[in-house]
Amino acid sequence: DVKVTQSSRYLVKRTGEKVFLECVQDMDHENMFWYRQDPGLGLRLIYFSYDVKMKEKGDIPEGYSVSREKKERFSLILESASTNQTSMYLCASSPPVTGPGNTIYFGEGSWLTVV
Amino acid sequence: AQKITQTQPGMFVQEKEAVTLDCTYDTSDPSYGLFWYKQPSSGEMIFLIYQGSYDQQNATEGRYSLNFQKARKSANLVISASQLGDSAMYFCAMREGRTGGFKTIFGAGTRLFVKA
Repeated sequence: DVKVTQSSRYLVKRTGEKVFLECVQDMDHENMFWYRQDPGLGLRLIYFSYDVKMKEKGDIPEGYSVSREKKERFSLILESASTNQTSMYLCASSPPVTGPGNTIYFGEGSWLTVV
Repeated sequence: AQKITQTQPGMFVQEKEAVTLDCTYDTSDPSYGLFWYKQPSSGEMIFLIYQGSYDQQNATEGRYSLNFQKARKSANLVISASQLGDSAMYFCAMREGRTGGFKTIFGAGTRLFVKA
């Protein structure tokens, strides 16, 4: 089974702090994603990466950055956390996109509260 | 632009009955894939079922089936014989084949409550 592991399930951070959310996958997938989930809005793509050191902006990249130094690890960084970044963050991975049928595999999510 | 709409914020169903969760989509790409995911209260997203735009038959996976009506651009999830463990959020999602690249977009979700 594909395993996507997010290092922190629950975090509480202060406004202005730098926050790191870590994600590791064990299936040698090329593609990795960070989504944000908010009630009534579904999941929105923040950033994705299709290879080591490669990254692309998703729909809501403002206030976030990412790092992919190793194939299995994809980090989401909040440079200066703000209260409107309080949310549930989901990491996902998938094999190379060869067609529309590649499903993506999700981690368990990280609940971030910024106070 | 690609779009997914789930119009039911919440649904109730009696245990052992069938339930249909609605999903409509919008795309101009003739090649696309449609997915349904389940999210229990634990937060993990669980892949349920997939339907390709060129598939001739509706997808089925155990108690899950996808009622795919291409002309109406709808991809409703049908859960037969509901169980208490089916209580969760359900998300419909789509990836375009040509133009969507790596992006999978999601609807707002439907929360299903199964009553004993």
